Amino acid sequence: AQTVTQSQPEMSVQEAETVTLSCTYDTSENNYYLFWYKQPPSRQMILVIRQEAYKQQNATENRFSVNFQKAAKSFSLKISDSQLGDTAMYFCAFTSLEYGNKLVFGAGTILRVKS
Amino acid sequence: DVKVTQSSRYLVKRTGEKVFLECVQDMDHENMFWYRQDPGLGLRLIYFSYDVKMKEKGDIPEGYSVSREKKERFSLILESASTNQTSMYLCASKLRDRIYSGANVLTFGAGSRLTVL
Repeated sequence: AQTVTQSQPEMSVQEAETVTLSCTYDTSENNYYLFWYKQPPSRQMILVIRQEAYKQQNATENRFSVNFQKAAKSFSLKISDSQLGDTAMYFCAFTSLEYGNKLVFGAGTILRVKS
Repeated sequence: DVKVTQSSRYLVKRTGEKVFLECVQDMDHENMFWYRQDPGLGLRLIYFSYDVKMKEKGDIPEGYSVSREKKERFSLILESASTNQTSMYLCASKLRDRIYSGANVLTFGAGSRLTVL
């Protein structure tokens, strides 16, 4: 079975600083997809970033980037120049075509950006 | 703007009541999902539907059932609500994953906070 582990229940960061959220996963598959989703206090979950396992280049979306270490099964999210609007719950998620369109989520990390 | 709409943001029900949570999407997505969100446990998949009238159990289907009579609508049913079903319920949808396009992104609804007394 696929599992996703987020070992940091809560984190905080000062505005304008950089923070890294950790995620590890377990799978025996070689081709899969990893996601970071963000759930702000208003609760609508939105996609932050997506990584395809067969791509060696780390995905980047503006201030958000990932450090994808396939051998270590690690998928961390780096947020640069943190903003107050980044305050949210962040979920790491895994899926694969063999897993039948379903996503497995981690427990989440609450990130608080302080002014 | 694509949308997944959940009919109720907050519900309060009594133990033993039958509860319906409705979800509608306007994106013509094949796949629809019901997740339950609890602190420290993340999102856990209750049921999944990959087509009209098709459903598949997720990780925690006990105490729940689903209905998908139309492509755009996916209902979660609690046949006899219990206090341990007090939770946040999230509906999501996406296009079916295909080899040439890879894994698609989930679009979520705003969530339904259910309290069972």
